[in-house]
Amino acid sequence: SQQGEEDPQALSIQEGENATMNCSYKTSINNLQWYRQNSGRGLVHLILIRSNEREKHSGRLRVTLDTSKKSSSLLITASRAADTASYFCATDAGKFYFGSGTKLNVKP
Amino acid sequence: GAGVSQSPRYKVAKRGQDVALRCDPISGHVSLFWYQQALGQGPEFLTYFQNEAQLDKSGLPSDRFFAERPEGSVSTLKIQRTQQEDSAVYLCASSQRTDYNEQFFGPGTRLTVL
Repeated sequence: SQQGEEDPQALSIQEGENATMNCSYKTSINNLQWYRQNSGRGLVHLILIRSNEREKHSGRLRVTLDTSKKSSSLLITASRAADTASYFCATDAGKFYFGSGTKLNVKP
Repeated sequence: GAGVSQSPRYKVAKRGQDVALRCDPISGHVSLFWYQQALGQGPEFLTYFQNEAQLDKSGLPSDRFFAERPEGSVSTLKIQRTQQEDSAVYLCASSQRTDYNEQFFGPGTRLTVL
């Protein structure tokens, strides 16, 4: 069973547009992380946000965390075709849980 | 090597066979994790090692699954008497730290049980 659920399951946008993915989880967490997985390849860590943080930036990525709603969002600005991948949130709640992922397709 | 490596990359087994999957973590990384990823799903935690100690094996789905890391470096995930439901990609990850912070993942081993 997985603690996190991403929304939407799939997202298709044009290059240059922004992409927003949401993650909801069930229990209290120490931190929440976002990972990217290209088709047929391993996961790559993107960003970590701690439970006492509300927002974090890394390049074109912006992550927010609302612990009262048990939710997080990942915003990718000015998307590129190379951003096409599946994106997973993962929560550290003493145990480590991945969500079910959002498939992002960025059309050139 | 620069990253986490896993071997074999692909494994086809007949139902009932035993398989062994290998993970070479990044040199010096203390923590090592195994995950199982079914098609179209997120990875599911199997087990966690800190050096040679297996601190959490609560995600192993049955007693047919066994993992070891005897010298605190290379790890092997063994599946005995494989079943069709064991078909999945098995991912290994390592981390410098002793908690669930940034993990570096290998490419995975795709296991198909016929």
